[in-house]
Amino acid sequence: NAGVTQTPKFRILKIGQSMTLQCTQDMNHNYMYWYRQDPGMGLKLIYYSVGAGITDKGEVPNGYNVSRSTTEDFPLRLELAAPSQTSVYFCASTQNTGELFFGEGSRLTVL
Amino acid sequence: DAKTTQPTSMDCAEGRAANLPCNHSTISGNEYVYWYRQIHSQGPQYIIHGLKNNETNEMASLIITEDRKSSTLILPHATLRDTAVYYCIVRSLRGGNYQLIWGAGTKLIIKP
Repeated sequence: NAGVTQTPKFRILKIGQSMTLQCTQDMNHNYMYWYRQDPGMGLKLIYYSVGAGITDKGEVPNGYNVSRSTTEDFPLRLELAAPSQTSVYFCASTQNTGELFFGEGSRLTVL
Repeated sequence: DAKTTQPTSMDCAEGRAANLPCNHSTISGNEYVYWYRQIHSQGPQYIIHGLKNNETNEMASLIITEDRKSSTLILPHATLRDTAVYYCIVRSLRGGNYQLIWGAGTKLIIKP
């Protein structure tokens, strides 16, 4: 099993550009999450999904969108990138909501 | 906001037990305590969790006080590879679903 796979690992965007961070898991988990982590801080929840076709906002959803058309995939869309979105983004999945499995992260810089 | 309070940083000698404290004085009766660690900006790794009783697995032990207002994560024989940020998290009900609300964690440095 590959676990949780995130792409790309690194990306530099210009202000106003858009992009999609990809996340795929092969563990058949129902729950999936997107977090962002700023330097020296803990993780902040952006969006989460409890199953295919169901998504909901977390603590910091503004400027982001998600979709969950399959159990495996949970892409995160950034529209009109801003410098405040410079961060490390982590995708995670779980079956029982407490023990999360994380990807290796996507490091995004907006200039 | 996170429901936990942890020291910002701690040191421990290699081979010794590392004891990481956590305060969660506002925890509710059905909320679990989870511990994760993050090694050098990698994705966080689950360590252990508990509700009331002490728990042990191959990585660590979790001691929860009887009033559940605090807990301690114990790494019994710390190695250099245990240097990481350790997060103590209370899993709370938010918006109809249980969520993990992360604080800043404790930076644990294992010294040779």
